[in-house]
Amino acid sequence: AQSVTQLGSHVSVSEGALVLLRCNYSSSVPPYLFWYVQYPNQGLQLLLKYTSAATLVKGINGFEAEFKKSETSFHLTKPSAHMSDAAEYFCAVSEVRTSGSRLTFGEGTQLTVNP
Amino acid sequence: DAMVIQNPRYQVTQFGKPVTLSCSQTLNHNVMYWYQQKSSQAPKLLFHYYDKDFNNEADTPDNFQSRRPNTSFCFLDIRSPGLGDAAMYLCATSSPTGFVTEAFFGQGTRLTVV
Repeated sequence: AQSVTQLGSHVSVSEGALVLLRCNYSSSVPPYLFWYVQYPNQGLQLLLKYTSAATLVKGINGFEAEFKKSETSFHLTKPSAHMSDAAEYFCAVSEVRTSGSRLTFGEGTQLTVNP
Repeated sequence: DAMVIQNPRYQVTQFGKPVTLSCSQTLNHNVMYWYQQKSSQAPKLLFHYYDKDFNNEADTPDNFQSRRPNTSFCFLDIRSPGLGDAAMYLCATSSPTGFVTEAFFGQGTRLTVV
């Protein structure tokens, strides 16, 4: 079974500092990987996705992630944090089935941005 | 805008009283999902429909059922809600054309059981 592990349930950064949220995957086949963001009492919004086309993936709101097969990682980064980036971030892996793909999420990382 | 809409956003129900949550979509996607998300936890897939085909996760309690009368609508029925069923319930859709695509989520329904 495919899975993802997010390292660090809470990350705190200063406004303007680098954001780094860690995600490692476990998969016996080339994975399809996603990062989603969730604001309080909201649904999940897709930030970016990796589907094997390019190892460096750019997403919305200035976020990007790099797929590293040798490290089985898909870490999310943003050069300069904004206050509006404070939210919960989920890494997910997609398992493709004939009955429709299904997402398995990591436990999430709560990002706090300090002024 | 095409989207996934969940109603209501907040639902309070009594212990043991059946409750139904609804989801509609204007994306015309053929796959619809229901996830349960408890406080500070990851979303957990309960079941999904591929067109009319129902796919239950092995560990989804029998207390949870779902209906999909047409492409646009999907319902989550909780037959006898317990205190442990209080959670955010997320509906999502996807359209698996070609390789896998992302899931599009609704705003969620937060269920409180009293």
